[in-house]
Amino acid sequence: DTAVSQTPKYLVTQMGNDKSIKCEQNLGHDTMYWYKQDSKKFLKIMFSYNNKELIINETVPNRFSPKSPDKAHLNLHINSLELGDSAVYFCASSQGPLGRVRETQYFGPGTRLLVL
Amino acid sequence: DAKTTQPNSMESNEEEPVHLPCNHSTISGTDYIHWYRQLPSQGPEYVIHGLTSNVNNRMASLAIAEDRKSSTLILHRATLRDAAVYYCILRAQGAQKLVFGQGTRLTINP
Repeated sequence: DTAVSQTPKYLVTQMGNDKSIKCEQNLGHDTMYWYKQDSKKFLKIMFSYNNKELIINETVPNRFSPKSPDKAHLNLHINSLELGDSAVYFCASSQGPLGRVRETQYFGPGTRLLVL
Repeated sequence: DAKTTQPNSMESNEEEPVHLPCNHSTISGTDYIHWYRQLPSQGPEYVIHGLTSNVNNRMASLAIAEDRKSSTLILHRATLRDAAVYYCILRAQGAQKLVFGQGTRLTINP
């Protein structure tokens, strides 16, 4: 039973296309996140949702739009894909908001996006 | 977020202890020290965290200097499966996010 799962695992697409990545957690957590890991392996937070409410929105292009239909799901939709969007995208979850210092995050396996 | 400094890479042998250092000279009194690791082609996973006292769990030990300006993650008996990038992260109380640095790439030799 995978705690945090993402689909698809790999995504290869053309510039200009619109694509979505799905994330589901079965841990009963209230908070979910999206991270981007670029080619230099730096891992940066993009968004965070707590109980379906957006609480973190880093400096991310408007082409990226997260959607949380319920607490267990946080999807990432990307419009007009660009070459620079190629990266590994990780979904994560935590019991509560990370403001509680004892909170730890559980990460998914990642979605490897390649834009051609 | 306070900055951490880690060596880019370290190498050790299987079944030997590994000490991964982290410097955080600008740490504030309420910052917790968290360690995560990222195995090849996987997402990061939590390892351990602490505030002032040394901490032990089934994965590792965390030794925190008395002045809290540095800490060391200790893997008591490294296995090949411990080869990963290890991230030392400071989390301020109330901070809503983790800020990952470049981490230390640990190689384990058989």
